[in-house]
Amino acid sequence: DTGVSQNPRHKITKRGQNVTFRCDPISEHNRLYWYRQTLGQGPEFLTYFQNEAQLEKSRLLSDRFSAERPKGSFSTLEIQRTEQGDSAMYLCASSLDSGGSYEQYFGPGTRLTVT
Amino acid sequence: AQKVTQAQTEISVVEKEDVTLDCVYETRDTTYYLFWYKQPPSGELVFLIRRNSFDEQNEISGRYSWNFQKSTSSFNFTITASQVVDSAVYFCALRGANSKLTFGKGITLSVRP
Repeated sequence: DTGVSQNPRHKITKRGQNVTFRCDPISEHNRLYWYRQTLGQGPEFLTYFQNEAQLEKSRLLSDRFSAERPKGSFSTLEIQRTEQGDSAMYLCASSLDSGGSYEQYFGPGTRLTVT
Repeated sequence: AQKVTQAQTEISVVEKEDVTLDCVYETRDTTYYLFWYKQPPSGELVFLIRRNSFDEQNEISGRYSWNFQKSTSSFNFTITASQVVDSAVYFCALRGANSKLTFGKGITLSVRP
């Protein structure tokens, strides 16, 4: 049983460039979540999908951020016109959730550094 | 609004000591779920336990035990006979009516040989 995978693991980009991250959830999981974690802090929720529908977005998700899950399987998170404040670890998680309490399983994260 | 407070930021113990990590939460939801995750130096968050708000029974798993008390809104985690491999950052998290997890700031546990 493979876990949640994320690519790339590390990304260094210059301010103003666009970046895209990919998340592949555990195959039977219908919910997919994105979180952001900065140094010394706990993860903060960004957005989540149930199948291909994006059900909630945090106020942290500015209009430079967009996420998709086109076929209800993998998801992408794009950041346009990156800023130094976007430097963080971006975590993806998935769960099998039909209104219950199923736990979220996390991937290894993508560490973004904006120079 | 939901909130998770982990007042301890760093704890250092010697191997074989017992250690308790505290977690206090706030929520207005009547049904909610509490979690503990471990983040070792490799960075990947590892799920440890989930507790439902309607089930206050404490749980023991090997050297790990959890004490859930609704009266004090606490969900504390005890490691018995700590080992060097327990060194990590531990996060307490809360899920209410919606699906998102609200995390505390984490507790860095260092276990010295």
